Order: sequence, then structure tokens, then C-alpha cells
Amino acid sequence: GAGVSQSPSNKVTEKGKDVELRCDPISGHTALYWYRQSLGQGLEFLIYFQGNSAPDKSGLPSDRFSAERTGGSVSTLTIQRTQQEDSAVYLCASSLSGLDGYTFGSGTRLTVV
Amino acid sequence: GQNIDQPTEMTATEGAIVQINCTYQTSGFNGLFWYQQHAGEAPTFLSYNVLDGLEEKGRFSSFLSRSKGYSYLLLKELQMKDSASYLCAGANTGFQKLVFGTGTRLLVSP
Repeated sequence: GAGVSQSPSNKVTEKGKDVELRCDPISGHTALYWYRQSLGQGLEFLIYFQGNSAPDKSGLPSDRFSAERTGGSVSTLTIQRTQQEDSAVYLCASSLSGLDGYTFGSGTRLTVV
Repeated sequence: GQNIDQPTEMTATEGAIVQINCTYQTSGFNGLFWYQQHAGEAPTFLSYNVLDGLEEKGRFSSFLSRSKGYSYLLLKELQMKDSASYLCAGANTGFQKLVFGTGTRLLVSP
């Protein structure tokens, strides 16, 4: 596609429920990244994919967080048993080489009530 | 460590020049990136420096000194639409991960 597409754009969920966030990167971009941004905070790295493998998942906050990527394209970030501290904007980005800079999607605003 | 430090907020006047500084711990970084983020929107890529020196892109320029762990973003001929947050980010070897600072919120007034 023309840009990085994320869905849903907004998600309100009850504490304890599971949520799934989707990212559709720019066609042909082999690298895909998940970040999250809490109010007034910087972007926090979560995980990086090269193709379908994740060489660096060091930023995932806990084992409640997982992500996968299939077909070298779409990625899903799953948060199980959501907690209020999971509330944030989850941003996905893709890149061809890294040196071309990341292209970010508009994000998913997750609110856990 | 990989701390990135930048001022929290800056103000400037339309038509002026502003310099946003970014300092970082030199170990582990392979380049510095700058992004612009308007409120409620996704960050957009502005520029990057891998080598020391100045990179110019129209009204925006970015500078890097690797030995000093220092970068700056220079915005010339400021416009009201330049009011945004400016994020400094360090890239690890292979550019597989960017570590972002908390951003500098720039307010441009008439």
C-alpha cells in the first residue's frame, strides 16, 4: 500500500481482556517495528521483524505481549489480560533498509478501563 | 547506556531560526535520526546523520558530532505549521532499532 496502515485506530477494552492490534506495512518493506508511546513519554521500542523473524524482541514489557508477522507482510501485536498500564498509542513502522528512515502508521490508541 | 537527552520545550517566533539540541551517550549508536510529530499524528522522518557534519534539506538541517555525542536540528524561516514535537533518535548498528528521546515540543508564535 501507499503507507503503513494500522487497525483499529482506537480500542477501548476492559481490564483482563485480550486485544489484537494489526499493522499492514508498505509493500516491499522487509523491516517492521512496533513502538508504543504513553502520554508525555518518548517512543518505547517493543519488537523488530526482519521478514517473518524477530531478531530483537527485547522491548516487549512482559510475557503478556506477543507479536507475529506472516508472509513478510502483515503483523499482529497481541496483548493478553490487559492492564491499565498498557494504555498507550501503539505505533507500527516499516522500512526498506533502516537508512531510509522509518515510515510510521497512524497508530492504535488503546485504552484499558 | 543509550540515553537520549533533548530539551522538553522551546518557543520561537515566525520567520526566526531555532536550534534543537540532542545529546546522547556515544556507545552503541550508529547514527542520529530526527522526526517531526504533530499532536495526535504519527512521527514523520526528517533527516539522519551517520557521519560528522551538517546535512541540509531545505529549511531543515541536521548536524552530528559523534565524538561529542551531540546533534542538533536547525529550522530556518519558521512557519506556524512547524509547531510540533521534534524527536531525536539514535540507531544501533545495522539500523535495526531506533532509541528515541522524549522529544522537544516547539511552539512557533506570530
